[in-house]
Amino acid sequence: QSVLTQPPSVSAAPGQKVTISCSGANQNIGNNLVNWYQQLPGTAPTLLIYDNDRRPSGIPDRFSGSKSGTSATLDITGLQTGDEADFYCGTWDSSVDAWVFGGGTTLTVL
Amino acid sequence: QVQLQESGPGLVKPSQTLSLTCTVSGDSVESSFASDASHWTWIRQSAGRGLEWMGHVKNTKTALYNPSLKGRIFISLDISKRQFSLRLTSVTAADTAIYFCARKSSSLLTRGWFDPWGQGTLVTVSS
Repeated sequence: QSVLTQPPSVSAAPGQKVTISCSGANQNIGNNLVNWYQQLPGTAPTLLIYDNDRRPSGIPDRFSGSKSGTSATLDITGLQTGDEADFYCGTWDSSVDAWVFGGGTTLTVL
Repeated sequence: QVQLQESGPGLVKPSQTLSLTCTVSGDSVESSFASDASHWTWIRQSAGRGLEWMGHVKNTKTALYNPSLKGRIFISLDISKRQFSLRLTSVTAADTAIYFCARKSSSLLTRGWFDPWGQGTLVTVSS
């Protein structure tokens, strides 16, 4: 049972938009910045979004993040088959004094 | 940019100690180790627990651990070798996971992000 709650899976057609949610509480998302990671099949996670809504260099603007209250959202527009991956949100949790992650969301591009 | 690579045994017997090393390489290694904005981190991933932050060590060699690991964990740093290491004692089958090393970029405990990550190494706990 992960501290942060994500839907297990989402799917959409190529070219469409998908939204992945990450739900938490005041002690984690509510009072800290959220990061998102993408894990392509058989590889390590890589940083996708940091500090709620900032993109590292090299990440296309099809990927965007936002936060409101105790929830964060990752939006992916113009879906491509190469986007199929697992996506994880993560932040600091002051109640457990640890970095915590969501359970991950598997994106399928139909 | 730095690169990270994990190494260590892929099989550990129950009740024994799991030991892994992460070697850091790349153009900015020296400055990364000199900076207090680099927290050298271990994260593991298993089907049962998903991604789990285990702990980190700073350039001052002070470490912070996930309380859930209940005193079984030790992370050390060897700047001369450009390595940091993980020891996890009294392992059980529940410690079977892919172990990743990563760098957290921020001098503040509750800020930052994990980037880059090593490729990960599978450790199986079994007799």
